[in-house]
Amino acid sequence: DARVTQTPRHKVTEMGQEVTMRCQPILGHNTVFWYRQTMMQGLELLAYFRNRAPLDDSGMPKDRFSAEMPDATLATLKIQPSEPRDSAVYFCASGAGQGFKQYFGPGTRLTVT
Amino acid sequence: AQSVTQLDSQVPVFEEAPVELRCNYSSSVSVYLFWYVQYPNQGLQLLLKYLSGSTLVKGINGFEAEFNKSQTSFHLRKPSVHISDTAEYFCAVSALAGGGADGLTFGKGTHLIIQP
Repeated sequence: DARVTQTPRHKVTEMGQEVTMRCQPILGHNTVFWYRQTMMQGLELLAYFRNRAPLDDSGMPKDRFSAEMPDATLATLKIQPSEPRDSAVYFCASGAGQGFKQYFGPGTRLTVT
Repeated sequence: AQSVTQLDSQVPVFEEAPVELRCNYSSSVSVYLFWYVQYPNQGLQLLLKYLSGSTLVKGINGFEAEFNKSQTSFHLRKPSVHISDTAEYFCAVSALAGGGADGLTFGKGTHLIIQP
């Protein structure tokens, strides 16, 4: 049963530290999405890639967030420096073809103190 | 840009009763519609989607939804709920971009509470 994997599942860090979250999409999926879930804002799209090319990152705070796909099996989301308001659950999702069916990973729960 | 409104933040229902979770959307372009379910401390799972064709779509776990273009709605229904249906339900829309789906725009979610 193919799944999207995310690491780490939980991360607690201090304000100002760099945080890197990793996502392994389902093999063969060519579209990868990053979402953030908070109580206040709900689920928000941060960025997405198709065939490893970034298509939209308008949902990301540009000064501190960056998303990359170094290869087809790995997507990364970095926050530098982290702030308490970044505390959230970050989900990665992948899709094949046109990507209308997205498969979500279990999420990374980030706490910034 | 698109937006999604889920009219109820919480819906309590007795077990084996029917339920409807309401969703309305707004968009300046044609969109595709989805319902996702999230169980506690888990990721999201697709319940059903509407891309084209019949406006009544059936999904997993006995759920169905009807697309109504004139009312810009996509309400989710189940004729008889079970305790295991207790979860958060999200309505979402997506448009075409870059040769495929762009990211999902989600509603705020509806917490379905099943009472025994």
